[in-house]
Amino acid sequence: GAVVSQHPSRVICKSGTSVKIECRSLDFQATTMFWYRQFPKKSLMLMATSNEGSKATYEQGVEKDKFLINHASLTLSTLTVTSAHPEDSSFYICSARDIWGHEYNEQFFGPGTRLTVL
Amino acid sequence: AQSVSQHNHHVILSEAASLELGCNYSYGGTVNLFWYVQYPGQHLQLLLKYFSGDPLVKGIKGFEAEFIKSKFSFNLRKPSVQWSDTAEYFCAVNAGNNAGNMLTFGGGTRLMVKP
Repeated sequence: GAVVSQHPSRVICKSGTSVKIECRSLDFQATTMFWYRQFPKKSLMLMATSNEGSKATYEQGVEKDKFLINHASLTLSTLTVTSAHPEDSSFYICSARDIWGHEYNEQFFGPGTRLTVL
Repeated sequence: AQSVSQHNHHVILSEAASLELGCNYSYGGTVNLFWYVQYPGQHLQLLLKYFSGDPLVKGIKGFEAEFIKSKFSFNLRKPSVQWSDTAEYFCAVNAGNNAGNMLTFGGGTRLMVKP
């Protein structure tokens, strides 16, 4: 089955620093990757849709300058949380859609990255 | 815009009990429907999905879901739960107009199965 990895799995940083999270599709190519944020005991909230070779599409209320997304290749998308603050502490999850789309609209999820900002 | 509601936030069952988790969505057009499961400490996994055809969908691990278009519902069922089914379950919807393939998730239902 399709596998999506995220790195790092956990990160703790000081307030004001920037943190980069990687999302990789390991055995398939993904033109589209999605970034979600999951708050404790809450559901997943879509932050942005990342398309290879173009600018990401951000959901309403998500600051694009705060959460920088780069999707430079068909197997890698990165989310950079810039000037992180304690309220950015959360669980960030990415998902990827197979380029061939043989399973229409099916997304494969990564294991998530837990960010803690002190 | 579509929205998804899961009415049961927490469900506690004993082993062998039957399970039904509710999921309702609001969207007037064609939809694709999904149920995902998140076991403790693990990532989201797809349980089953509905795109078209038979509204009764069978998934992995004995789960099934029924799409009732008139009720805008896609309830998840399992006749006999096991302790290993303890997890959080998410219903998700994608509008069939290919709106970037984005998924809208329900709030999740945390299931605890007592041995």
